[in-house]
Amino acid sequence: DQQVKQNSPSLSVQEGRISILNCDYTNSMFDYFLWYKKYPAEGPTFLISISSIKDKNEDGRFTVFLNKSAKHLSLHIVPSQPGDSAVYFCAASGKGGSEKLVFGKGTKLTVNP
Amino acid sequence: DTGVSQNPRHKITKRGQNVTFRCDPISEHNRLYWYRQTLGQGPEFLTYFQNEAQLEKSRLLSDRFSAERPKGSFSTLEIQRTEQGDSAMYLCASSGAKKLAQPQETQYFGPGTRLLVL
Repeated sequence: DQQVKQNSPSLSVQEGRISILNCDYTNSMFDYFLWYKKYPAEGPTFLISISSIKDKNEDGRFTVFLNKSAKHLSLHIVPSQPGDSAVYFCAASGKGGSEKLVFGKGTKLTVNP
Repeated sequence: DTGVSQNPRHKITKRGQNVTFRCDPISEHNRLYWYRQTLGQGPEFLTYFQNEAQLEKSRLLSDRFSAERPKGSFSTLEIQRTEQGDSAMYLCASSGAKKLAQPQETQYFGPGTRLLVL
């Protein structure tokens, strides 16, 4: 039973354009959602997060949107840069992040110059 | 403090051998988590500690696996009688106690230990 789903294994965008990565979840007990970026042979790097009491959180070029009724969140990267090319993982947790993280399978983003 | 560190970064072993990995969390963090990642999958939870207490173990953690955090600081993950199916990246993460200004806890990951069982 996959509680966190990233249905797009890959995404390719042009430099300077917007990248939109999507994530769906099924467990309504999740109250904290995170995006991690991962390069091969390295650990995940925390990017941005959002609490279930918010519907948007912004940090520089990165914005995360949360739609609780649809159990859907998305990560927007504007403008996309070649250095953003990596695998992006969506993760969810309960109890404000103090529980284990449940990850999606990841979306490989390629930003073309 | 430079973040979560893990040693070794790479380990190649023969089937049936025992291996041990070490994780040093961010110094002020009281929670420590172990995850495992295989190719094409997201990280999967194995176990976690709050200080020295092991609070949860996944069913993925067979009786060949044992984890400790004896003094509430670093942690070790041991795999006995390794099998080829144990080949994976083993990730450690830590998070700090909730604070008024930051009620959510964010887990920060180390670089991982890649295990290859021949």
